[in-house]
Amino acid sequence: QKEVEQNSGPLSVPEGAIASLNCTYSDRGSQSFFWYRQYSGKSPELIMFIYSNGDKEDGRFTAQLNKASQYVSLLIRDSQPSDSATYLCAVKDYGQNFVFGPGTRLSVLP
Amino acid sequence: DVKVTQSSRYLVKRTGEKVFLECVQDMDHENMFWYRQDPGLGLRLIYFSYDVKMKEKGDIPEGYSVSREKKERFSLILESASTNQTSMYLCASSTGTAAFFGQGTRLTVV
Repeated sequence: QKEVEQNSGPLSVPEGAIASLNCTYSDRGSQSFFWYRQYSGKSPELIMFIYSNGDKEDGRFTAQLNKASQYVSLLIRDSQPSDSATYLCAVKDYGQNFVFGPGTRLSVLP
Repeated sequence: DVKVTQSSRYLVKRTGEKVFLECVQDMDHENMFWYRQDPGLGLRLIYFSYDVKMKEKGDIPEGYSVSREKKERFSLILESASTNQTSMYLCASSTGTAAFFGQGTRLTVV
């Protein structure tokens, strides 16, 4: 059974700080890694994806991937109250299916 | 922009009814998915489809069936709705990279 694990939180950070969200996965065959943001009562929306080891930056967001450690993280710089949401980590192997983690709830305090 | 549209945002049905949830995507994606999301259980895959008339069971197919007669449309059918099928239902489509979600249908079975 392929598994994706995340701390459920809530993770609380003050406004302007860096929020660090972590995710581990069990399947070494995983090839693609995704971060989604989900506001309460809404559907998940894609923030970014990463395929290669290292960092990938998109605005205030940075995804980090370490395949050897089976670890992927999302950093949010200059956190804003509007970033308060649940963040879902997802992984995909060579197949077409996605395996989602349970999500980490982030609360950015004004 | 990818657009995935689910037919209803909120739905209330009676126990024993046959329920149809419709999903349409406008990006010519091959892959479509149905998930349900419950507090504490995360996103669970019900069924997915790689192509027209193709379907595969996910992790929790019991009590559900699907139909994909056209590439853009993927329907989820609850054969005889039960109260334990009260949930948020999410449709997604993918062309092999990221998955894009519809707005979700919150189904209540009374």
